[in-house]
Amino acid sequence: QQQVKQSPQSLIVQKGGISIINCAYENTAFDYFPWYQQFPGKGPALLIAIRPDVSEKKEGRFTISFNKSAKQFSLHIMDSQPGDSATYFCAGYSGAGSYQLTFGKGTKLSVIP
Amino acid sequence: DVKVTQSSRYLVKRTGEKVFLECVQDMDHENMFWYRQDPGLGLRLIYFSYDVKMKEKGDIPEGYSVSREKKERFSLILESASTNQTSMYLCASSLFALADTNTGELFFGEGSRLTVL
Repeated sequence: QQQVKQSPQSLIVQKGGISIINCAYENTAFDYFPWYQQFPGKGPALLIAIRPDVSEKKEGRFTISFNKSAKQFSLHIMDSQPGDSATYFCAGYSGAGSYQLTFGKGTKLSVIP
Repeated sequence: DVKVTQSSRYLVKRTGEKVFLECVQDMDHENMFWYRQDPGLGLRLIYFSYDVKMKEKGDIPEGYSVSREKKERFSLILESASTNQTSMYLCASSLFALADTNTGELFFGEGSRLTVL
């Protein structure tokens, strides 16, 4: 059972463009939604995260938009740069009674000059 | 900074061999995890441990076992490696999860790429 559905699987964006990755979740117990960024040859690392009591969180060029009623959230990367080329994973986490994140399947982003 | 170290970055083993993947974290984290990463399948949890000598099955535990004798060390064991276990294996750790006070952020190692011939 896939509890976090992520799309698209791959994305090619031109330098300076906006990259958008979407995720939908099923588990209403999730109370924390992080995004992880993974560069080739490295482990994933936390990029940005949001709690469901806010609709948007922005850190630099990275913004999470959250729609609680639709059970959807998305990552927007503004002014995308070649250095943003990586695989991005969304996830859901329930702090109560669970120790694990549920990850989406990942999106491979390529930003071309 | 938290550091999660996976001792072997690349391994090549033969079918039927016993394989040990070692992971050490240096931040006194309670939780440790083993994930498997395959293209198009994302990150799949194999096993996790929330305390020394404690372990819980994840989504794909078949063919794997784990050992946590010390808080900082979590080992993944393939008793009899098979070709379908060729994959990237990622270890991670996190603080003990307390509702509203901890986000469960995972700190990953750089991965161990295992090839089984």
